[in-house]
Amino acid sequence: AQSVTQLDSHVSVSEGTPVLLRCNYSSSYSPSLFWYVQHPNKGLQLLLKYTSAATLVKGINGFEAEFKKSETSFHLTKPSAHMSDAAEYFCVVSERTGRRALTFGSGTRLQVQP
Amino acid sequence: KAGVTQTPRYLIKTRGQQVTLSCSPISGHRSVSWYQQTPGQGLQFLFEYFSETQRNKGNFPGRFSGRQFSNSRSEMNVSTLELGDSALYLCASSSRQGMGNTEAFFGQGTRLTVV
Repeated sequence: AQSVTQLDSHVSVSEGTPVLLRCNYSSSYSPSLFWYVQHPNKGLQLLLKYTSAATLVKGINGFEAEFKKSETSFHLTKPSAHMSDAAEYFCVVSERTGRRALTFGSGTRLQVQP
Repeated sequence: KAGVTQTPRYLIKTRGQQVTLSCSPISGHRSVSWYQQTPGQGLQFLFEYFSETQRNKGNFPGRFSGRQFSNSRSEMNVSTLELGDSALYLCASSSRQGMGNTEAFFGQGTRLTVV
């Protein structure tokens, strides 16, 4: 079985300050991990993915995440927030073998204040 | 290339009716998955089709069904609609079976409202 816990339902930052969105996962198998972003009335867009290569993963729009197996975490960070980053972010886990469906976290809504 | 296209974008139905949603994947993609998104339950996996066969299924009642055609387009059907079926239904396409190793591309969704 696999599950994802996003530790914050809402995060508010000021423009130009760092962003940290926290995610812990549970998986019986070696997981693939993803971060997706959803802007209002839009579909989901992949930000980055971890599938067993480098533990520090760089994604689009300056986001990156670090896979820490010992902490079962995959936190998403960005050095400097932009107004356009305001959206809902989903941490997602999937088994690399077996059923391989995506299991989504409950989401973190990021607000960026001017 | 064109992205994942879902039709219709919005739908209003009455309890007890049935509904069919459509998803056209990215050209060349053979895997289509469906997800339900609600404020209370979040994003939940419905099923995945690959090469016209259902390969994986989530924990939804039999009222939820789907199919995939030879051109990889997929339809999802919900019969005997209930108020709780009101949700955003998202379709994702992928080049390979299963979403664990490859990027899934999502459509904008169909917003279903059951009254």
